[in-house]
Amino acid sequence: KAGVTQTPRYLIKTRGQQVTLSCSPISGHRSVSWYQQTPGQGLQFLFEYFSETQRNKGNFPGRFSGRQFSNSRSEMNVSTLELGDSALYLCASSLAIKGDAYEQYFGPGTRLTVT
Amino acid sequence: GESVGLHLPTLSVQEGDNSIINCAYSNSASDYFIWYKQESGKGPQFIIDIRSNMDKRQGQRVTVLLNKTVKHLSLQIAATQPGDSAVYFCAEKEGNFNKFYFGSGTKLNVKP
Repeated sequence: KAGVTQTPRYLIKTRGQQVTLSCSPISGHRSVSWYQQTPGQGLQFLFEYFSETQRNKGNFPGRFSGRQFSNSRSEMNVSTLELGDSALYLCASSLAIKGDAYEQYFGPGTRLTVT
Repeated sequence: GESVGLHLPTLSVQEGDNSIINCAYSNSASDYFIWYKQESGKGPQFIIDIRSNMDKRQGQRVTVLLNKTVKHLSLQIAATQPGDSAVYFCAEKEGNFNKFYFGSGTKLNVKP
C-alpha cells in the first residue's frame, strides 16, 4: 500500500506570495492532518480534516488554511508569506473516525523556504 | 536536512545495547500516545502506539511503557542498531479526533 505523498517536496517563495501544498493520504484513510516543523518550535499542529470538514485547528493565524476533497486528498494554503513561515510542512493520514484514535502516518513533507 | 530543534537532548549508546528514551507528557486526560522516529530529511515514521488503558505494549524490538501517575512515557529499544540513529518524538492526543501534541524530541546516536 502506498504511503502518504506530498507535493511538491521543495518550494522557494518570496515574502508576500502565497503557496499551496498538496497531500494524498494512504488509500482508505479519511483523516488528514497538517503540521509545521521548525527547529525552534518543533512539530506544531495546524489543522485536521475528515470527510471534507475541518475538525480541529491549531494556533496559527488565518493566513494558514486548508481543505479536503471528496477523495480525501488535502491541500493547505499559506497566503502573504512571511520569513517565519519557512519550515517543513508535514501531512499525516489516519483511519480515525468519530472520536477514536488510530495510527497516524506521515508523508515526507514539503520544505518551504521563504526569502 | 535538519528536522528538529537545535538543542535536542542526545542519548548515545553502543551498538547492541538497549536504549531507553523518555518523554513527559502534559495532559493527564490524554488517552492515546504514539512514538515516532524521524531521520534527517524524512517525515516522522510511526513506531508504536499505546492507549491510556494500557501500561505496556511491545512491538518488534521496541516496548513502550506508560506511567499515568507521573505522566511519563518511555520507549525501550532492544539491541540498538546503527539504523536506529534518529530523533525520537512522543506524541499525545489532545481531545477528540487527530490533534496531537509533540514533545521536543530526543536524538539517539548509536555508536558502532
